[in-house]
Amino acid sequence: AQKITQTQPGMFVQEKEAVTLDCTYDTSDQSYGLFWYKQPSSGEMIFLIYQGSYDEQNATEGRYSLNFQKARKSANLVISASQLGDSAMYFCAMRVQAGTALIFGKGTTLSVSS
Amino acid sequence: SQTIHQWPATLVQPVGSPLSLECTVEGTSNPNLYWYRQAAGRGLQLLFYSVGIGQISSEVPQNLSASRPQDRQFILSSKKLLLSDSGFYLCAWSARFYGYTFGSGTRLTVV
Repeated sequence: AQKITQTQPGMFVQEKEAVTLDCTYDTSDQSYGLFWYKQPSSGEMIFLIYQGSYDEQNATEGRYSLNFQKARKSANLVISASQLGDSAMYFCAMRVQAGTALIFGKGTTLSVSS
Repeated sequence: SQTIHQWPATLVQPVGSPLSLECTVEGTSNPNLYWYRQAAGRGLQLLFYSVGIGQISSEVPQNLSASRPQDRQFILSSKKLLLSDSGFYLCAWSARFYGYTFGSGTRLTVV
């Protein structure tokens, strides 16, 4: 069965520091995609970054990078130079076939302090 | 460009009352559509998904139902709400070569 595990209920970081949010996944499929979303207190789901299972390089989008370790089945999100506006809940999600539903982890609440 | 509309934004309903949440997508055709529910401080649970008009798959047995009367319209319904139906409901769509886009959500409180 497909599953996403986020083991950090909450993380605390100071402004300008880097932070890593952990995500491990479980699937027997060879083709899959991994996503990270940010959910601020407003509730909207903001897409951050995507990594395909066949992508050889780690995905990067501005201050966000995805540390993809296929053998370990991990897809950690790295946020560099944290900002106060990064305070939110972060979800890791997986799609095992194109067009199928995303499976979500339970999320990690990130708090950035000045 | 593609947009997704979800309404209402907030809803307070008494136990036993009916429910209808609507979601519409613009700017694309034949999207896959999804309903998720998020309990307070928790992850997203997939409730229903649809790959076409009239095609609904249910992931979690409950007193909720979904319908897709038109290609870009997805409706979540209940005949009688329970307290446990309270939560944040998110509609989303996806299509080939596109990622997943979420609506702004509906906060439902059953009292």
